[in-house]
Amino acid sequence: AQSVAQPEDQVNVAEGNPLTVKCTYSVSGNPYLFWYVQYPNRGLQFLLKYITGDNLVKGSYGFEAEFNKSQTSFHLKKPSALVSDSALYFCAVWGGSNYKLTFGKGTLLTVNP
Amino acid sequence: NAGVTQTPKFQVLKTGQSMTLQCAQDMNHEYMSWYRQDPGMGLRLIHYSVGAGITDQGEVPNGYNVSRSTTEDFPLRLLSAAPSQTSVYFCASRGTGVNTEAFFGQGTRLTVV
Repeated sequence: AQSVAQPEDQVNVAEGNPLTVKCTYSVSGNPYLFWYVQYPNRGLQFLLKYITGDNLVKGSYGFEAEFNKSQTSFHLKKPSALVSDSALYFCAVWGGSNYKLTFGKGTLLTVNP
Repeated sequence: NAGVTQTPKFQVLKTGQSMTLQCAQDMNHEYMSWYRQDPGMGLRLIHYSVGAGITDQGEVPNGYNVSRSTTEDFPLRLLSAAPSQTSVYFCASRGTGVNTEAFFGQGTRLTVV
């Protein structure tokens, strides 16, 4: 069965500092990996995805993520955090051979002014 | 383009009542899913559908029914509401290509008293 782990429930960073939100996955076959963001009382918004190709994927709002096959990781990064980046972030994986998109438990990012 | 539309946004039910959460998408997506979001649990898959007339169970299907008579609609039925079903429910749809991300509705906040 496929699974996603987000080892940090919360991440706190100062505005202007780089941020990393960690994600590791387990899946049979090639992974299709996604990051979503959820603002309070809103639905999930797509940030970026890794399907194939370059291990560094660039997405919306200046976010990027690095796919590492040997470590089965897909960490979300941003060079300079903004207060407006404060939200709940979800990593998700799809194994491709089934139809299920599996989510991690989410990481609450707080960017302090 | 409306994307994924969920109704209602809020609902309070009494224990034992039944109701249907509506979900409609206008992107001609084959895949549709229902998730529930609970604090500390992330998003858990309730039921999903890979096309009209085809549905299957996710990881937490008990107490819920679905049907998919058209490509556009994927309603979720609570047969006899229980306090444990108090949650935020999200509907999602996705195309069939491996490089497609899921699109989410704005959610339904359900309280069962």
